[in-house]
Amino acid sequence: EIVMTQSPATLSVSPGERATLSCRASQSVSSNLAWYQQKPGQAPRLLIYGASTRATGIPARFSGSGSGTEFTLTISSLQSEDFAVYHCQQYNNWTFGQGTKVEIK
Amino acid sequence: QVQLQESGPGLVKPSGTLSLTCAVSGGSISSSNWWSWVRQPPGKGLEWIGEIYHSGSTNYNPSLKSRVTISVDKSKNQFSLKLSSVTAADTAVYYCARVSPFMDVWGKGTTVTVSS
Repeated sequence: EIVMTQSPATLSVSPGERATLSCRASQSVSSNLAWYQQKPGQAPRLLIYGASTRATGIPARFSGSGSGTEFTLTISSLQSEDFAVYHCQQYNNWTFGQGTKVEIK
Repeated sequence: QVQLQESGPGLVKPSGTLSLTCAVSGGSISSSNWWSWVRQPPGKGLEWIGEIYHSGSTNYNPSLKSRVTISVDKSKNQFSLKLSSVTAADTAVYYCARVSPFMDVWGKGTTVTVSS
């Protein structure tokens, strides 16, 4: 099983600041990596697939990078609606990271 | 656009079988997509349960494989999950999702509690 490890577990950021979230795979997943945003009481929402392609309707302030085992999700200027939990997922054989909570500083 | 809606009992007794259905609307379950189940225990992360293609081909999470059955009903445009021998550890929000091959459409989720 490919283990996905996200860091940090919690990220405290002020509105307007940049947030950088990391996701590491225990073995290469190529670019088969997706990021999801989840707000309390809601289903996950696809943000990024193919490690760096934004899903339909996702603002340009969200960007993804990386390949192989190291991946990053960057939110360039945090808006109030961006405070949420972010999950990475490899879709070679389906495992998720444990999530990073982005909270207001 | 495609929408998914989970349904089923919200309470299941220990050792019983959890049964959920995901209705697909706005599109056909016979499209070139797989269809998946994911769950999230309270306060925890997401866990993939398994997936099915309209042909009936399935893939399951090895850790749940002995207890999981996913089936498809093309006539009703829906797919279903059965999880047997449930315990309190199976208490979670259960989501269905479309696979493209990432999960691009999700249902709103349904909470299932395992308790006597």
